[in-house]
Amino acid sequence: GNSVTQMEGPVTLSEEAFLTINCTYTATGYPSLFWYVQYPGEGLQLLLKATKADDKGSNKGFEATYRKETTSFHLEKGSVQVSDSAVYFCALSGSGGSYIPTFGRGTSLIVHP
Amino acid sequence: EAGVTQFPSHSVIEKGQTVTLRCDPISGHDNLYWYRRVMGKEIKFLLHFVKESKQDESGMPNNRFLAERTGGTYSTLKVQPAELEDSGVYFCASSRETSKNTEAFFGQGTRLTVV
Repeated sequence: GNSVTQMEGPVTLSEEAFLTINCTYTATGYPSLFWYVQYPGEGLQLLLKATKADDKGSNKGFEATYRKETTSFHLEKGSVQVSDSAVYFCALSGSGGSYIPTFGRGTSLIVHP
Repeated sequence: EAGVTQFPSHSVIEKGQTVTLRCDPISGHDNLYWYRRVMGKEIKFLLHFVKESKQDESGMPNNRFLAERTGGTYSTLKVQPAELEDSGVYFCASSRETSKNTEAFFGQGTRLTVV
């Protein structure tokens, strides 16, 4: 079946540090890949997505590239801010005829001033 | 446009009691999903409605869980009787269509604690 594996958290960084949150997936075919973010007290919201191999999704300074050869979709940001503190979820959809999103376990990011 | 709303935001109940969670999707969204996240683990799919019909309920853990979506609008998820392992955050999401590229819009979740 489909699955998404994310690095364990929490990830703790100082402001302006470089961020990488790893995500790998197992799926058949060519799913779409997503990063969702959950800020404290809020629901999940879409951060970025990529729909085919080698696509790069980007938003709010975050980027992730769909790597078919390594089945990965790592999230990166060059300079994090305190306001980026949240839980980040990697997800996929559209594998094996199912369009129901499959999520990873989430990675908590804590950014200190 | 109002987002997905869930009620209540928190619920603490004793083992053996009944709890009903409610989700109001975005107006016009035929697809409604229920998910659950147990502390620190992945967000697990429970079931999917298309309008009032259950399209996929393969993720429902057992028959203590009952989901309904009368009239294809809001949905309820009832847990009866609740057990300790039912504790977690229950998320509802909705989408206008079903495709591999479709974004799901989430509510803020209901944190259920069974003691």
